[in-house]
Amino acid sequence: EADIYQTPRYLVIGTGKKITLECSQTMGHDKMYWYQQDPGMELHLIHYSYGVNSTEKGDLSSESTVSRIRTEHFPLTLESARPSHTSQYLCASSELGGRGYTFGSGTRLTVV
Amino acid sequence: GNSVTQMEGPVTLSEEAFLTINCTYTATGYPSLFWYVQYPGEGLQLLLKATKADDKGSNKGFEATYRKETTSFHLEKGSVQVSDSAVYFCALPVSGGYNKLIFGAGTRLAVHP
Repeated sequence: EADIYQTPRYLVIGTGKKITLECSQTMGHDKMYWYQQDPGMELHLIHYSYGVNSTEKGDLSSESTVSRIRTEHFPLTLESARPSHTSQYLCASSELGGRGYTFGSGTRLTVV
Repeated sequence: GNSVTQMEGPVTLSEEAFLTINCTYTATGYPSLFWYVQYPGEGLQLLLKATKADDKGSNKGFEATYRKETTSFHLEKGSVQVSDSAVYFCALPVSGGYNKLIFGAGTRLAVHP
């Protein structure tokens, strides 16, 4: 059973709007991650955090930003949404990377 | 650096058929290896893992053996069900650390009655 929660599950929003995708976990994991999943299914790491006040950009350049003010919370923000941001966004957390990740159910974002 | 290659899909099978999804890797040392599954409309779930060479991970009838000689971690199931229809991802940690995972491109499995 997932202990990592993403909201909203689905979001349709107009171009230029500011949005925040929420991700929270109750497992006390230090490490959290955001992935963007394209229609071809491939996963691209866009942000990660190894603890409070620690954030890094991932392998895929993204216009989004993240913050980690509390261990359990890792929101992702788009200041001005564009149709190119349409994608599925997956949040994950890990106690130790070698033990694997726990994923949330994802947010499917559509920008019109 | 570490990398992973999965067989391309989609894989289409009839119910009760035998499944193999190939995964090969390149790695420094012997990192843990993982299989994740993504059901339609969901996030990824850890299916099984193996932490050292010759280990066999298993779960829900799926198995994969960590083979260092062939640098492979193929996923197998003896008799698939319609409910196994999903996308399967092979993964391992990035080089030099265990805090980030590299995922394969995913293999879509469709099982028909």
